[in-house]
Amino acid sequence: KAGVTQTPRYLIKTRGQQVTLSCSPISGHRSVSWYQQTPGQGLQFLFEYFSETQRNKGNFPGRFSGRQFSNSRSEMNVSTLELGDSALYLCASSLGQGPREPQHFGDGTRLSIL
Amino acid sequence: KQEVTQIPAALSVPEGENLVLNCSFTDSAIYNLQWFRQDPGKGLTSLLLIQSSQREQTSGRLNASLDKSSGRSTLYIAASQPGDSATYLCASLMNRDDKIIFGKGTRLHILP
Repeated sequence: KAGVTQTPRYLIKTRGQQVTLSCSPISGHRSVSWYQQTPGQGLQFLFEYFSETQRNKGNFPGRFSGRQFSNSRSEMNVSTLELGDSALYLCASSLGQGPREPQHFGDGTRLSIL
Repeated sequence: KQEVTQIPAALSVPEGENLVLNCSFTDSAIYNLQWFRQDPGKGLTSLLLIQSSQREQTSGRLNASLDKSSGRSTLYIAASQPGDSATYLCASLMNRDDKIIFGKGTRLHILP
């Protein structure tokens, strides 16, 4: 069974640009959660989608948004990129509404802002 | 606001030793507490999950304990091996808002 797949693995952007990251959950999983990991702040919850609806949201500005498609694949978008957005972005999928359900993580997208 | 702290930030021990990683949290209203492992450039792998009503969980050489009253959890690793080298994170899931709060992790290096 394939695990959680995140694309691309690495991305370099400049300030002011926007970026879209993709996450394909494990087959049959309906929940996708997104996290940002930086050396300074550690791992922080961004948002969770379940059955195409945003179920929960962390404390991030509106520049961070996401969506989930009918096949449970999810995308995360960051607009007007800032240097501080450089991070490893992880997604995790679960069968039911996470994170009370066991979550399975992808290997992340490393985003670098120049 | 929940704060999860892991001390030390880094730890090096010789192979074969037993070791304990510490995690403390400020708000005891947790649904569960989970320990993860993260290898360089990789995502997180769940190691052990302790529900708020439980005191400990065991898997192989790993044992995690939870003491909500003191706001502490420990991860005990027996007979450490070089393959145990990784960053270990603990995370608490809060009852009130279903949000998971992570510690910043302990980077463990097992010396061959």
